[in-house]
Amino acid sequence: GESVGLHLPTLSVQEGDNSIINCAYSNSASDYFIWYKQESGKGPQFIIDIRSNMDKRQGQRVTVLLNKTVKHLSLQIAATQPGDSAVYFCAVTTNAGNMLTFGGGTRLMVKP
Amino acid sequence: NAGVMQNPRHLVRRRGQEARLRCSPMKGHSHVYWYRQLPEEGLKFMVYLQKENIIDESGMPKERFSAEFPKEGPSILRIQQVVRGDSAAYFCASSAGVTGNTIYFGEGSWLTVV
Repeated sequence: GESVGLHLPTLSVQEGDNSIINCAYSNSASDYFIWYKQESGKGPQFIIDIRSNMDKRQGQRVTVLLNKTVKHLSLQIAATQPGDSAVYFCAVTTNAGNMLTFGGGTRLMVKP
Repeated sequence: NAGVMQNPRHLVRRRGQEARLRCSPMKGHSHVYWYRQLPEEGLKFMVYLQKENIIDESGMPKERFSAEFPKEGPSILRIQQVVRGDSAAYFCASSAGVTGNTIYFGEGSWLTVV
């Protein structure tokens, strides 16, 4: 089965710095990867996704990098702001279905 | 354009009672998913439904839990004879299809069993 893990349970950064959150997955058949942001008491909010035919995708202040060779995924947040403070989850799936497998989450704390 | 709507947001039940959680997918979405989240943990898949069909229920406990997505109305996650271990946040998500469609989550229903 799939397992997804995160390297750092808590990440503390200074406002304005860049943040990098990492995720490892185990199933080499995984082909769709998503990052979600979850604030306390709320549901996961879609941030950015990437498919296995890409190794990088950029959004507004966020970049997702995919390394299929080592089955590693990262989320980079540029110029981190206090509003970015939340728990970030990576989720992976295959086109065989939409059952997302979530990592355990990384808590991002932004210091003003 | 309303997102995924869940209700109730908070529900308290005594042990042995039934809990019913409702989910209306985003407009235009016909695929619904239920996930459970324990405190400080990631979300765990429970069930995937389309209208009137259960597609994948591999994450559902074998007993006391059931889900449906009728032709009309919201999807329902039903938990019978609740126990304290059922206390969790239950999230519903929806998508327009299977392949390559973004999955959007609702704000969750927090179940507390006392």
